[in-house]
Amino acid sequence: DQQVKQNSPSLSVQEGRISILNCDYTNSMFDYFLWYKKYPAEGPTFLISISSIKDKNEDGRFTVFLNKSAKHLSLHIVPSQPGDSAVYFCAASGRDSGGSNYKLTFGKGTLLTVNP
Amino acid sequence: DGGITQSPKYLFRKEGQNVTLSCEQNLNHDAMYWYRQDPGQGLRLIYYSQIVNDFQKGDIAEGYSVSREKKESFPLTVTSAQKNPTAFYLCASGNLWPQHFGDGTRLSIL
Repeated sequence: DQQVKQNSPSLSVQEGRISILNCDYTNSMFDYFLWYKKYPAEGPTFLISISSIKDKNEDGRFTVFLNKSAKHLSLHIVPSQPGDSAVYFCAASGRDSGGSNYKLTFGKGTLLTVNP
Repeated sequence: DGGITQSPKYLFRKEGQNVTLSCEQNLNHDAMYWYRQDPGQGLRLIYYSQIVNDFQKGDIAEGYSVSREKKESFPLTVTSAQKNPTAFYLCASGNLWPQHFGDGTRLSIL
């Protein structure tokens, strides 16, 4: 049962345009959402997060939008740059089955390619 | 420079062998995590530890073991019971959630 879904395995955009990466989740108990960026042969790096009590969080060129009623979040990158080319993982945080610890559930990732 | 160090970068295991992957952090983070990544898959949680001398199973703990004797260290042992160990293993640390990841260890079976 995949609780966090990134339905687009890949996305290609032109430099300077907007990149929109989407993520859907099924568990309404998730209370924090995060995006990570990963280059080949490296570990992921934390990019931006949003609490479930907000609907938007912005950090420079990166904005994350959360639509709780639709259980959907998206990452917008404006303007896109060739250095943004990487795999982007969406993750959601919630209590584990014992209720005592937080754990992250990751999507499968979307490969973003920004063409010069 | 604070960060997470995973070693080795590449590791080969013979059938029936246990191998241990090292993970050290100097970020003073309370929590440490082990994830496994397979091609075309997201990161799946193997084990995590919120404090020293305590750890919890993640979603795919079978065939793996961990210890957390020091705050800085969280080694992962891939035992012979793990039937499909070939994967990319990532260690992470953070206070509420994984904030920093190491560069990973790629484990292959000979």
